[in-house]
Amino acid sequence: EAQLVETGGDLVQPGGSLRLSCAASGFSVSDTHMNWVRQVPEKGLEWVSIIFRSGGTYYAESVKGRFTIFRDSSKNTMYLQMNSLRRDDTALYYCTRGNGNDWGQGTLVTVSS
Amino acid sequence: DIVMTQTELSSPVTVGQPASISCRSTQSLEHTDGNTYLSWLHQRPGQPPRLLLYKISNRFSGVPDRFSGTGAGTEFTLKISSVEVEDVGVYYCMQTTRFPYTFGQGTKLEIK
Repeated sequence: EAQLVETGGDLVQPGGSLRLSCAASGFSVSDTHMNWVRQVPEKGLEWVSIIFRSGGTYYAESVKGRFTIFRDSSKNTMYLQMNSLRRDDTALYYCTRGNGNDWGQGTLVTVSS
Repeated sequence: DIVMTQTELSSPVTVGQPASISCRSTQSLEHTDGNTYLSWLHQRPGQPPRLLLYKISNRFSGVPDRFSGTGAGTEFTLKISSVEVEDVGVYYCMQTTRFPYTFGQGTKLEIK
């Protein structure tokens, strides 16, 4: 059974950086595409980024140039490096496998001074 | 970007009654590979979303057969044949045909 566990969320000041991790079990992160999706508490869902099996990546315009998605196959973990954080990046960040097949519980990022 | 717009449920639903949620996209969701990547997700309070249906009508593993999906092009519908208490929460449609992937705003299902 596939499992995803996100960690790394924290309170950070505007302009700061954070790295989120998504540890996978039950499958290999290199064998499928994976996404980050975020949700402002009590609000809707917003797709953030994808990393394909090939290693190719795409980003939402709102994070392009500031966020980087990557993976470490040896650790079976996907990451989201978040730089130049803004207040509107505040959200619960989920990692998902495939086209939403499996979701982690999420990790909360709060950008505030 | 493709905008996804969902209908609201007019009122709380009685257990055992059917419910239907529509989702409309601003562009056709048919991919060049011939598939239509329209999914439905369900999110219970305090929980992450979970996948119900993919490619319009395919039930994900473990999803009860009271959930079904129909549609094509830009119009899609999720139907619950007989609502149960555990079906409360918010339902989202999601398109993964074109980047950026986008979601509907969510439709809340409440039980009467």
